[in-house]
Amino acid sequence: GQQLNQSPQSMFIQEGEDVSMNCTSSSIFNTWLWYKQDPGEGPVLLIALYKAGELTSNGRLTAQFGITRKDSFLNISASIPSDVGIYFCEVKTSYDKVIFGPGTSLSVIP
Amino acid sequence: KAGVTQTPRYLIKTRGQQVTLSCSPISGHRSVSWYQQTPGQGLQFLFEYFSETQRNKGNFPGRFSGRQFSNSRSEMNVSTLELGDSALYLCASSLGQGTHNSPLHFGNGTRLTVT
Repeated sequence: GQQLNQSPQSMFIQEGEDVSMNCTSSSIFNTWLWYKQDPGEGPVLLIALYKAGELTSNGRLTAQFGITRKDSFLNISASIPSDVGIYFCEVKTSYDKVIFGPGTSLSVIP
Repeated sequence: KAGVTQTPRYLIKTRGQQVTLSCSPISGHRSVSWYQQTPGQGLQFLFEYFSETQRNKGNFPGRFSGRQFSNSRSEMNVSTLELGDSALYLCASSLGQGTHNSPLHFGNGTRLTVT
């Protein structure tokens, strides 16, 4: 069935470093969304992408919707301790079912 | 604007029991969806309700059911609990309209432990 892959699965970085993660699929999707989940809380929307090739920024976050519509990446610049959490990508199938990627767990070392 | 509220926050049940979880969406949101989150399986879609009707359903057994009330509040029920049902159950609300993904607004979840 349709599924999303996220890489890396986890990452440990030093505070101040830039972070890059991606989300890929063998299927085409028309929208890609990125969420962040803090420990003990529900996911929160970071960025929504609605057009192939679109590059969108939200503060230190930048995300791009791949031109093939099969992938998306999320970059975080100058990481800080509160960036710690799990980052999920999300798409919706043509049958309106929501699919989440397995997540990228980010740890920031002060 | 109040966020999505889920109750209870924590729940401990024994195998064979049933449980009901509650979700109050953001005011004005008509779509409520439920997800099961476990370390091994990630976020799995359970079902979505829109205007009191189940609009979509994931691949879960019939022991998992839900409903939505006229005020958009939603409940999900799990009957004959199994150990493997231990998970964080997340509810999300959205406007639920339009051709684009309506971004999801999540509650903080109900942590269910089955012993």
